Amino acid sequence: ETGVTQSPTHLIKTRGQQVTLRCSSQSGHNTVSWYQQALGQGPQFIFQYYREEENGRGNFPPRFSGLQFPNYSSELNVNALELDDSALYLCASSITGGENGELFFGEGSRLTVL
Amino acid sequence: DQQVKQNSPSLSVQEGRISILNCDYTNSMFDYFLWYKKYPAEGPTFLISISSIKDKNEDGRFTVFLNKSAKHLSLHIVPSQPGDSAVYFCAVPWAGSYQLTFGKGTKLSVIP
Repeated sequence: ETGVTQSPTHLIKTRGQQVTLRCSSQSGHNTVSWYQQALGQGPQFIFQYYREEENGRGNFPPRFSGLQFPNYSSELNVNALELDDSALYLCASSITGGENGELFFGEGSRLTVL
Repeated sequence: DQQVKQNSPSLSVQEGRISILNCDYTNSMFDYFLWYKKYPAEGPTFLISISSIKDKNEDGRFTVFLNKSAKHLSLHIVPSQPGDSAVYFCAVPWAGSYQLTFGKGTKLSVIP
Protein backbone atom coordinates (compact mmCIF):
# COMPACT_ATOMS: atom_id res chain seq x y z
CA GLU A 1 0.00 0.00 0.00
CA THR A 2 1.49 3.33 -1.12
CA GLY A 3 1.33 6.14 1.41
CA VAL A 4 0.80 9.83 0.81
CA THR A 5 3.64 11.40 -1.15
CA GLN A 6 4.35 15.08 -1.63
CA SER A 7 6.65 17.05 -3.90
CA PRO A 8 8.82 18.97 -3.76
CA THR A 9 10.12 18.39 -0.23
CA HIS A 10 11.79 21.79 -0.03
CA LEU A 11 11.60 24.92 -2.12
CA ILE A 12 12.54 28.58 -1.92
CA LYS A 13 10.55 31.36 -3.56
CA THR A 14 10.60 35.11 -3.44
CA ARG A 15 7.78 37.39 -2.40
CA GLY A 16 5.16 37.87 -5.12
CA GLN A 17 5.91 34.61 -6.90
CA GLN A 18 3.54 31.69 -7.32
CA VAL A 19 4.04 28.11 -6.16
CA THR A 20 2.43 24.74 -6.88
CA LEU A 21 2.74 21.85 -4.44
CA ARG A 22 1.74 18.33 -5.37
CA CYS A 23 0.33 15.38 -3.50
CA SER A 24 -0.48 11.77 -4.33
CA SER A 25 -3.09 10.32 -2.02
CA GLN A 26 -2.88 6.97 -0.36
CA SER A 27 -4.33 4.24 -2.53
CA GLY A 28 -8.12 3.95 -2.16
CA HIS A 29 -8.54 7.34 -0.46
CA ASN A 30 -11.02 9.70 -2.08
CA THR A 31 -10.66 12.78 0.11
CA VAL A 32 -7.63 15.04 0.29
CA SER A 33 -7.00 18.00 2.55
CA TRP A 34 -4.18 20.50 2.91
CA TYR A 35 -2.75 21.98 6.07
CA GLN A 36 -0.25 24.73 6.75
CA GLN A 37 2.09 24.32 9.70
CA ALA A 38 3.98 27.44 10.65
CA LEU A 39 6.99 27.20 12.95
CA GLY A 40 5.95 26.41 16.52
CA GLN A 41 2.30 25.96 15.59
CA GLY A 42 0.01 23.05 14.94
CA PRO A 43 -1.20 22.29 11.42
CA GLN A 44 -3.92 24.68 10.27
CA PHE A 45 -6.64 23.51 7.88
CA ILE A 46 -6.55 25.18 4.45
CA PHE A 47 -9.15 23.24 2.45
CA GLN A 48 -10.46 19.82 1.56
CA TYR A 49 -11.42 18.19 -1.72
CA TYR A 50 -13.79 15.33 -2.37
CA ARG A 51 -14.62 14.07 -5.86
CA GLU A 52 -12.67 16.97 -7.38
CA GLU A 53 -14.77 19.59 -5.59
CA GLU A 54 -13.75 21.79 -2.70
CA ASN A 55 -16.03 20.88 0.20
CA GLY A 56 -14.50 22.76 3.09
CA ARG A 57 -12.21 25.72 3.56
CA GLY A 58 -10.38 27.20 6.50
CA ASN A 59 -9.50 30.83 7.12
CA PHE A 60 -7.20 31.32 4.14
CA PRO A 61 -7.44 33.96 1.40
CA PRO A 62 -8.47 33.13 -2.19
CA ARG A 63 -4.85 33.24 -3.37
CA PHE A 64 -4.68 29.76 -1.84
CA SER A 65 -6.37 27.43 -4.31
CA GLY A 66 -6.37 23.75 -5.06
CA LEU A 67 -7.26 21.00 -7.43
CA GLN A 68 -8.07 17.33 -7.07
CA PHE A 69 -7.70 15.09 -10.08
CA PRO A 70 -9.68 11.95 -11.06
CA ASN A 71 -6.88 9.75 -9.75
CA TYR A 72 -7.26 11.57 -6.37
CA SER A 73 -3.90 13.33 -6.63
CA SER A 74 -4.01 16.98 -5.69
CA GLU A 75 -2.31 20.35 -6.05
CA LEU A 76 -2.07 23.35 -3.78
CA ASN A 77 -1.42 26.66 -5.53
CA VAL A 78 -0.45 29.84 -3.76
CA ASN A 79 -0.31 33.10 -5.69
CA ALA A 80 1.36 36.38 -4.75
CA LEU A 81 3.51 34.77 -2.09
CA GLU A 82 4.05 36.64 1.16
CA LEU A 83 6.77 36.17 3.75
CA ASP A 84 4.21 34.71 6.19
CA ASP A 85 3.49 31.91 3.73
CA SER A 86 6.78 30.33 4.78
CA ALA A 87 5.70 27.08 6.40
CA LEU A 88 5.45 23.31 6.09
CA TYR A 89 2.53 22.38 3.84
CA LEU A 90 0.99 19.02 4.64
CA CYS A 91 -1.27 16.96 2.44
CA ALA A 92 -3.52 14.38 4.05
CA SER A 93 -5.81 11.79 2.56
CA SER A 94 -8.70 9.86 3.99
CA ILE A 95 -11.64 7.67 3.07
CA THR A 96 -15.06 9.22 3.37
CA GLY A 97 -16.87 7.24 5.97
CA GLY A 98 -13.67 6.05 7.54
CA GLU A 99 -12.61 6.42 11.13
CA ASN A 100 -13.68 9.84 12.35
CA GLY A 101 -10.91 12.34 11.86
CA GLU A 102 -8.17 9.84 11.05
CA LEU A 103 -5.99 11.36 8.37
CA PHE A 104 -2.93 9.98 6.64
CA PHE A 105 -0.34 12.69 6.16
CA GLY A 106 2.53 13.05 3.76
CA GLU A 107 5.95 14.27 4.87
CA GLY A 108 5.18 17.78 3.76
CA SER A 109 6.66 20.44 1.48
CA ARG A 110 8.70 23.08 3.27
CA LEU A 111 8.27 26.44 1.58
CA THR A 112 10.56 29.36 2.32
CA VAL A 113 9.56 32.77 0.99
CA LEU A 114 12.34 35.36 0.85
CA ASP B 1 -9.34 32.19 19.40
CA GLN B 2 -7.72 28.83 20.07
CA GLN B 3 -10.32 26.12 20.42
CA VAL B 4 -7.75 23.50 21.32
CA LYS B 5 -4.95 24.43 23.70
CA GLN B 6 -1.81 22.59 24.67
CA ASN B 7 -0.22 24.77 27.28
CA SER B 8 3.03 22.86 27.69
CA PRO B 9 5.38 23.39 24.74
CA SER B 10 7.75 20.71 25.99
CA LEU B 11 8.06 17.83 28.44
CA SER B 12 11.06 15.73 29.50
CA VAL B 13 10.57 12.31 31.04
CA GLN B 14 12.94 9.56 32.11
CA GLU B 15 12.73 6.30 30.18
CA GLY B 16 10.36 3.85 31.86
CA ARG B 17 8.37 6.56 33.64
CA ILE B 18 4.93 7.88 32.74
CA SER B 19 4.48 10.72 30.26
CA ILE B 20 1.33 12.82 30.62
CA LEU B 21 0.42 15.24 27.87
CA ASN B 22 -2.49 17.60 28.37
CA CYS B 23 -4.99 19.33 26.13
CA ASP B 24 -7.87 21.72 26.88
CA TYR B 25 -10.72 22.59 24.58
CA THR B 26 -13.39 25.27 24.59
CA ASN B 27 -16.35 23.86 22.65
CA SER B 28 -18.49 21.35 24.53
CA MET B 29 -20.03 20.25 21.21
CA PHE B 30 -16.88 18.46 20.09
CA ASP B 31 -17.73 14.78 19.91
CA TYR B 32 -14.40 13.23 19.00
CA PHE B 33 -10.82 13.87 20.03
CA LEU B 34 -7.61 12.63 18.50
CA TRP B 35 -3.90 12.55 19.24
CA TYR B 36 -1.29 12.70 16.51
CA LYS B 37 2.43 12.16 16.81
CA LYS B 38 5.01 13.87 14.62
CA TYR B 39 8.67 13.03 14.19
CA PRO B 40 11.03 15.55 12.53
CA ALA B 41 10.91 15.43 8.72
CA GLU B 42 7.80 13.26 8.79
CA GLY B 43 4.10 14.01 8.59
CA PRO B 44 1.88 13.59 11.64
CA THR B 45 0.62 10.07 12.26
CA PHE B 46 -2.59 9.14 14.01
CA LEU B 47 -2.00 7.71 17.47
CA ILE B 48 -5.25 7.27 19.38
CA SER B 49 -8.73 8.76 19.59
CA ILE B 50 -11.64 8.96 21.99
CA SER B 51 -15.33 9.57 21.53
CA SER B 52 -17.08 12.06 23.78
CA ILE B 53 -19.34 9.28 25.06
CA LYS B 54 -16.33 7.62 26.69
CA ASP B 55 -13.96 8.79 29.38
CA LYS B 56 -11.06 6.46 28.61
CA ASN B 57 -9.56 4.69 25.63
CA GLU B 58 -6.54 2.45 25.82
CA ASP B 59 -4.21 1.09 23.15
CA GLY B 60 -1.15 -0.69 24.44
CA ARG B 61 1.10 1.79 26.24
CA PHE B 62 -1.12 4.71 25.26
CA THR B 63 -4.25 5.76 27.14
CA VAL B 64 -6.34 8.85 26.54
CA PHE B 65 -8.58 10.22 29.28
CA LEU B 66 -11.45 12.62 28.68
CA ASN B 67 -12.92 14.88 31.36
CA LYS B 68 -15.91 16.55 29.72
CA SER B 69 -16.86 18.69 32.70
CA ALA B 70 -13.37 20.20 32.71
CA LYS B 71 -13.10 20.19 28.90
CA HIS B 72 -9.78 18.46 29.28
CA LEU B 73 -8.12 15.43 27.79
CA SER B 74 -4.81 13.84 28.52
CA LEU B 75 -2.57 11.27 26.89
CA HIS B 76 -0.68 8.88 29.14
CA ILE B 77 2.27 6.89 27.87
CA VAL B 78 3.42 4.10 30.15
CA PRO B 79 6.22 3.14 30.16
CA SER B 80 7.84 5.89 28.12
CA GLN B 81 10.48 4.86 25.62
CA PRO B 82 13.13 6.92 23.79
CA GLY B 83 11.31 6.21 20.52
CA ASP B 84 8.32 8.12 21.90
CA SER B 85 10.31 11.35 21.63
CA ALA B 86 8.25 13.42 19.21
CA VAL B 87 5.80 16.30 19.05
CA TYR B 88 2.28 15.33 20.13
CA PHE B 89 -0.77 17.19 18.88
CA CYS B 90 -4.30 16.93 20.11
CA ALA B 91 -6.93 17.60 17.48
CA VAL B 92 -10.69 17.78 17.05
CA PRO B 93 -12.69 17.21 13.86
CA TRP B 94 -15.52 19.51 12.86
CA ALA B 95 -18.90 17.77 12.87
CA GLY B 96 -17.74 14.35 11.68
CA SER B 97 -15.58 15.79 8.95
CA TYR B 98 -11.86 15.58 8.34
CA GLN B 99 -11.34 19.28 8.98
CA LEU B 100 -9.16 19.01 12.03
CA THR B 101 -8.31 21.79 14.45
CA PHE B 102 -4.94 21.10 16.06
CA GLY B 103 -3.33 22.35 19.22
CA LYS B 104 0.16 23.85 19.05
CA GLY B 105 1.74 20.59 20.16
CA THR B 106 3.91 19.38 23.03
CA LYS B 107 7.44 18.20 22.35
CA LEU B 108 8.13 15.09 24.40
CA SER B 109 11.71 14.09 25.11
CA VAL B 110 12.25 10.69 26.70
CA ILE B 111 15.68 10.49 28.26
CA PRO B 112 17.40 7.09 28.28
